Amino acid sequence: DAGITQSPRHKVTETGTPVTLRCHQTENHRYMYWYRQDPGHGLRLIHYSYGVKDTDKGEVSDGYSVSRSKTEDFLLTLESATSSQTSVYFCAIREEANYGYTFGSGTRLTVV
Amino acid sequence: AQKITQTQPGMFVQEKEAVTLDCTYDTSDQSYGLFWYKQPSSGEMIFLIYQGSYDEQNATEGRYSLNFQKARKSANLVISASQLGDSAMYFCAMRGDGGATNKLIFGTGTLLAVQP
Repeated sequence: DAGITQSPRHKVTETGTPVTLRCHQTENHRYMYWYRQDPGHGLRLIHYSYGVKDTDKGEVSDGYSVSRSKTEDFLLTLESATSSQTSVYFCAIREEANYGYTFGSGTRLTVV
Repeated sequence: AQKITQTQPGMFVQEKEAVTLDCTYDTSDQSYGLFWYKQPSSGEMIFLIYQGSYDEQNATEGRYSLNFQKARKSANLVISASQLGDSAMYFCAMRGDGGATNKLIFGTGTLLAVQP
C-alpha cells in the first residue's frame, strides 16, 4: 500500500474563491501527479512533480498551480475557482520498485 | 503525441461469460507500458494488469488477461467468467518512455454492466 491520502474528500466552493487540495504520501516516492476526471474525458493530467520543487504542466494546467515543498506533500491550487473546474481530482504516485501507479481516493470538488 | 482510444462507451455482458474491452494506442516510443484500471461506483482507481512493450507474453492476473498485439497497437482487456462485481468503469492507460516524467495518459473509459 503506497499510503496516499487526499484531503478534503469533498468540497463545495464559490466561484472566484481560491481552493487548495492536498495529496500526502508516506513512502518518499519521487513522482507525484494530479489528474482530473470528467465524464467523457477519462483522467487528464493537470500537473506533475518529479521531486521537491520540481514540477511541470500537464495537458489541462490552465487555472491550476502546484507546489511541492516536501517530498510527502503535493498541493494543487485553484487560484480563482470556476464552474468548469467542478470535477473529481485524483492524486497519484509512481512506485519506483515496480513502475506501477497508485491513486488516492479522489476529491470531489463542486464550484457553485 | 501519445494517445489512448477506447471506442466502447458502454458494454453489457451476462454473468459467467467472457468479455473483451478494446483499447488501441498511439506512440512513437520504443519502450512503453500499458495498464488497465477498474473504477467501481465507489470511485477508487484499482490497478488490474500491466503489459510492458517488450514483454513477449500476454499478461495475466487471475480472471484478467491483456491481449497485446503490438503491430496493431492494441491492448484489449479480457475478463473471463464475469461476475456481478465486475460492473464498473474500465480505463486503459499508457506510460511512455517519457524521461523524467513517465506520465500516465488515459483513454475515456468503458462502462461495463454485468447482468445476472
